[in-house]
Amino acid sequence: SAVISQKPSRDICQRGTSLTIQCQVDSQVTMMFWYRQQPGQSLTLIATANQGSEATYESGFVIDKFPISRPNLTFSTLTVSNMSPEDSSIYLCSVSRTAVNTEAFFGQGTRLTVV
Amino acid sequence: AQTVTQSQPEMSVQEAETVTLSCTYDTSENNYYLFWYKQPPSRQMILVIRQEAYKQQNATENRFSVNFQKAAKSFSLKISDSQLGDTAMYFCAYRSGNTPLVFGKGTRLSVIA
Repeated sequence: SAVISQKPSRDICQRGTSLTIQCQVDSQVTMMFWYRQQPGQSLTLIATANQGSEATYESGFVIDKFPISRPNLTFSTLTVSNMSPEDSSIYLCSVSRTAVNTEAFFGQGTRLTVV
Repeated sequence: AQTVTQSQPEMSVQEAETVTLSCTYDTSENNYYLFWYKQPPSRQMILVIRQEAYKQQNATENRFSVNFQKAAKSFSLKISDSQLGDTAMYFCAYRSGNTPLVFGKGTRLSVIA
């Protein structure tokens, strides 16, 4: 398994501002992902965080809105930029130790409310 | 593209009884993994059980077991001796190669005392 620390656990933000969410893993991992989860809904993949290169974004998500950094194999950040109430959601960091066919482990999530 | 379908949005079960959650998936791959995750109100996603597609034997983890039917692309979760702490959202998930997990929409399970 992997121990994942995700911060902050929750925040209330003003519209138009930005929030950076941090994900720290206790050991090196190959794959890191960012998901969004609307209340009572399933997880939607935002992007795959690539170490040393630009993140790979899913359809409907763009770098200007959700810039992602991954400076090393244990840390990543997701920024939610120019927030609107529609960005209110739970954001989850997920990691996999190897690239192929293994389970993913999750941080405890960040509950974001935009007012 | 791979898809995962959970057709039961909500289910309930009496404490100590057995419940089965359904999951079907669509893929053209031959080698893949299937998972069940539990998400209690705390939001923490917890891995319940995993199944390798190349293994015919169904995976079991204590009170949790799966019925994996590869030809039918079915992957159901059976929870025996249900406990109040099993109350949660349950997500079925699929992974093949280096792609991220693909999740179903989830089943909300309530265990009733």
